[in-house]
Amino acid sequence: AAGVIQSPRHLIKEKRETATLKCYPIPRHDTVYWYQQGPGQDPQFLISFYEKMQSDKGSIPDRFSAQQFSDYHSELNMSSLELGDSALYFCASSSIHGLAGGPRADTEYFGPGTRLTVL
Amino acid sequence: GIQVEQSPPDLILQEGANSTLRCNFSDSVNNLQWFHQNPWGQLINLFYIPSGTKQNGRLSATTVATERYSLLYISSSQTTDSGVYFCAVDAGGTSYGKLTFGQGTILTVHP
Repeated sequence: AAGVIQSPRHLIKEKRETATLKCYPIPRHDTVYWYQQGPGQDPQFLISFYEKMQSDKGSIPDRFSAQQFSDYHSELNMSSLELGDSALYFCASSSIHGLAGGPRADTEYFGPGTRLTVL
Repeated sequence: GIQVEQSPPDLILQEGANSTLRCNFSDSVNNLQWFHQNPWGQLINLFYIPSGTKQNGRLSATTVATERYSLLYISSSQTTDSGVYFCAVDAGGTSYGKLTFGQGTILTVHP
């Protein structure tokens, strides 16, 4: 079965440089999520998109931006990189279905992650 | 926001032993998932279990939504079970799908 694809898998940047991470969700999934996992930490939610519109935002720095394109792939753009941005960045995808009690997300599947190192 | 607490923080087992990991959450949830993060960093989805009991091979999970906890059972543990086990919840509302993770349980299985 197709899984979430992330590229690149590893990225090394210098301070103050920019980085772009890409995510290709599972086909027919309408929602994409980005998470950041620092060393020894649990993943923290950054931002999500439903049907190409931003649906929620977490503790994402102003230096970061993201979007979802017409083919549903998403990109996370990171500028003015700092040492503290070194982390594992995950993209996840799921589908949202409507229920009597309100919309609910199905199982969220995670990509293999992009390991960003800022020197 | 919702709080997620996992216990124990660390667990060391001999191969073949059984274990139970616990996840407590502070509010009602739309969804609860268990993940295994392997030594290469990959997050493997184990269960989508907002309520009830599920089994998959040597692993099973139970969520008692009314009492706000979930349990992950690992039987006959193997060295390949080592890694970090995360519980993550979706509190719903306007943030459907957004997962809040617990701090994880680090499992080490010795041969």
